[in-house]
Amino acid sequence: NAGVTQTPKFRVLKTGQSMTLLCAQDMNHEYMYWYRQDPGMGLRLIHYSVGEGTTAKGEVPDGYNVSRLKKQNFLLGLESAAPSQTSVYFCASSGTSGLNEQFFGPGTRLTVL
Amino acid sequence: GDSVTQMEGPVTLSEEAFLTINCTYTATGYPSLFWYVQYPGEGLQLLLKATKADDKGSNKGFEATYRKETTSFHLEKGSVQVSDSAVYFCALVIGGADGLTFGKGTHLIIQP
Repeated sequence: NAGVTQTPKFRVLKTGQSMTLLCAQDMNHEYMYWYRQDPGMGLRLIHYSVGEGTTAKGEVPDGYNVSRLKKQNFLLGLESAAPSQTSVYFCASSGTSGLNEQFFGPGTRLTVL
Repeated sequence: GDSVTQMEGPVTLSEEAFLTINCTYTATGYPSLFWYVQYPGEGLQLLLKATKADDKGSNKGFEATYRKETTSFHLEKGSVQVSDSAVYFCALVIGGADGLTFGKGTHLIIQP
């Protein structure tokens, strides 16, 4: 049982490049989330999904897009990376309600030069 | 909007010392409250939670009580160990679908 996995673990981009972060969970969870973690800021919600085919904006959605084509996968895209998007990105999932425990992936460390 | 305020670190203690990490919140509704822990190089793990007033969450010797009257959820442990060194996050959630609202995190360092 792998839980929540994230690909890649590390990435360095140049300004203007694009990339996609992949999150996968094997717990059959309905809810999935993308957060970013910055020093002194805690974690902030980027986008979330309450089920396959649905997505919604969180606190800091600008510059990101997401897709949930399959229940087990939640993709985070950066179309034109900016240095302000240098951060550690965490994916999380939870069962039938966001009130339940959220299970976090190990994170992706992204640097935009 | 909803927010969580917690003491920022680093907090440095000696092994076997008593730990308190303060957490207070503001919320438009009736939140559930959580403490998450992040060990170096890892993702966050749920430490404990409480879903209604006066509930006490506990795990691995850590405790926190949901105090509605003071809008607080302070984390305590009677005797810390070096292995407790980590970053601790207080968080809340209101709606069933919404993501967690986190505090900024408290870096705890336990010295032998």
